[in-house]
Amino acid sequence: NAGVTQTPKFQVLKTGQSMTLQCAQDMNHEYMSWYRQDPGMGLRLIHYSVGAGITDQGEVPNGYNVSRSTTEDFPLRLLSAAPSQTSVYFCASSRQVSSYEQYFGPGTRLTVT
Amino acid sequence: EDQVTQSPEALRLQEGESSSLNCSYTVSGLRGLFWYRQDPGKGPEFLFTLYSAGEEKEKERLKATLTKKESFLHITAPKPEDSATYLCAATSGTYKYIFGTGTRLKVLA
Repeated sequence: NAGVTQTPKFQVLKTGQSMTLQCAQDMNHEYMSWYRQDPGMGLRLIHYSVGAGITDQGEVPNGYNVSRSTTEDFPLRLLSAAPSQTSVYFCASSRQVSSYEQYFGPGTRLTVT
Repeated sequence: EDQVTQSPEALRLQEGESSSLNCSYTVSGLRGLFWYRQDPGKGPEFLFTLYSAGEEKEKERLKATLTKKESFLHITAPKPEDSATYLCAATSGTYKYIFGTGTRLKVLA
């Protein structure tokens, strides 16, 4: 099992550009989520999904879109990048919807100039 | 509002010097308390899940405990390879996990 994979590992964008961060898991997990990690802020939930076709907002959803067309994939789209979105982004998955440990990907370090 | 607070922010230990990390939580109807280890430049790695007050779990030099208000991660006779950031998270079962800001542990040889 590859676990949770994320691409790219690093990305630099200009303000206003859009892009998609990819996330995939091969563990047949129902629950998937996206977090951003900023110094002194901890991990903050952006969006999550409890199954294919079902997504919902987390704590900091503005400026981001998600979709879940398959169990395996959960891409995160930045619609119009802003410097405030400079961060490290982690995708995670969990066997069931809640109360279970999450498995994290290696992260994407995004810089918006 | 649900909240998770970790202390201390940073901790330096000599190899073999045991200590504890604290995770205080304010979560209505706790459904799970989680500990993760994060190495620089990597994603968090799962360590433990605790579900109810009084529960304890151990793995090598690490032992996690849970009360109704806080959790402790005890590190016994740490080694330099235990150096990492340790994250605590809680969920009330509402599909959302709340993370603390972590404790940066440095173990000196």
